[in-house]
Formats: sequence, C-alpha cells, structure tokens
Amino acid sequence: AQTVTQSQPEMSVQEAETVTLSCTYDTSENNYYLFWYKQPPSRQMILVIRQEAYKQQNATENRFSVNFQKAAKSFSLKISDSQLGDTAMYFCAARQGGSEKLVFGKGTKLTVNP
Amino acid sequence: NAGVTQTPKFRVLKTGQSMTLLCAQDMNHEYMYWYRQDPGMGLRLIHYSVGEGTTAKGEVPDGYNVSRLKKQNFLLGLESAAPSQTSVYFCASRTGTHTNTEAFFGQGTRLTVV
Repeated sequence: AQTVTQSQPEMSVQEAETVTLSCTYDTSENNYYLFWYKQPPSRQMILVIRQEAYKQQNATENRFSVNFQKAAKSFSLKISDSQLGDTAMYFCAARQGGSEKLVFGKGTKLTVNP
Repeated sequence: NAGVTQTPKFRVLKTGQSMTLLCAQDMNHEYMYWYRQDPGMGLRLIHYSVGEGTTAKGEVPDGYNVSRLKKQNFLLGLESAAPSQTSVYFCASRTGTHTNTEAFFGQGTRLTVV
C-alpha cells in the first residue's frame, strides 16, 4: 500500500527566510504523482505544487520549489522568502498512476513569525 | 465559479442520528472523493467515485455510505452516527482528462457527534 510520511509535525520560520518541509513516500510503482497542498486557517485546501515522477526536473512555482529525489523516495518542499500568509498546515500527497486514491501525509504545521 | 461546494458547513448530531452530506461540483469532473480530517491523522479517504453511478471504498469506509446518482453530486451518508465520526469532512473532485490533474476541494464540513 502507498504511504506518505511527514516527519515534522510543526515548524517555524522567520519572515523572509527559507524553510524546507520534508516528505517521504513509499510506492512500488514507477508512474506516480506527488503534490503539496496548503491548508490555511480558513480550512480550504489549496494546491501549492505538483511533480510527475517521470520528470527529472524539480517543479517550481514562484517562491515554492521541490527537491524530488526519486531513488530516496523523498519529496521536500522549499519555501523561499517566507511570508506571513504562508502560515498554514502543509500536506504532502501521492497518487499512483492508474489509481484514483490520493494518499496524504499527516501534515506539517508551519508558522511564519514576523 | 463555485468549484466544489459542501453542504452543510457545520452540524451537531446526537449518537444514533442519521444525516447526509452533500457535495456539488460545477466543473464537470469525473472523479469525486470524500475524506475525513482528524488531528494528527492527515486526510483519510472514505469513499470515492470514478463516474456517475459508480462508487468504491477508500481507506476508512465503515459507518459511511455514498451515492453518485448525478455526475455533479456526491453524497455521503451516516446511517447511525457515532462519536468516533466527529471530524472535518472534505469533498474533492478531479477531471480524468489527464492523469496528473490536481484535486479541487470543498471548504469542509465540521461534524460533531455527541
């Protein structure tokens, strides 16, 4: 069964600094998709960034980038120039190709301090 | 553009009562999902549907039933609510056009069973 592990329940960072959230996953498939979702206090789940396993290049979306290490089954999220609005729960998620099940990690609560 | 809409937003039930949560999406998505979110547990898949008239069990299906009579609606039913079903419930939908598409989430329903 596919599993996603986030080993950091909580993290904090100073405004304008960089922070990296960790995620590891376990899958027996070669074709799969990885996602980071943000959940602010409003509870709305928002996609931050996605990565296809067959792409070697790390995905980037403005201040958000990933470090995708396929052999190590690691998918970390780097947030640069942290902003107060980045304060939220962050969930790593994975979906195997051909499967409809999107499996989530337990989340990391990120606090950006002024 | 409404996206994914969940009804109701909040509900308090007594043990043994029944209720139905409604999820409606206006994006013509094929796939729909119900998750529950509990502190420290991330999001866990309850049931999902890959198309009108079809449903399948997820990770934690016991105590819940679902129906997808119309493509745009996905209903989650609790026949006899238990305190263990106190949770925040999220509905999500996704298009099946491309395999790497993200899931769009509703704003959640906070359910308390007393």
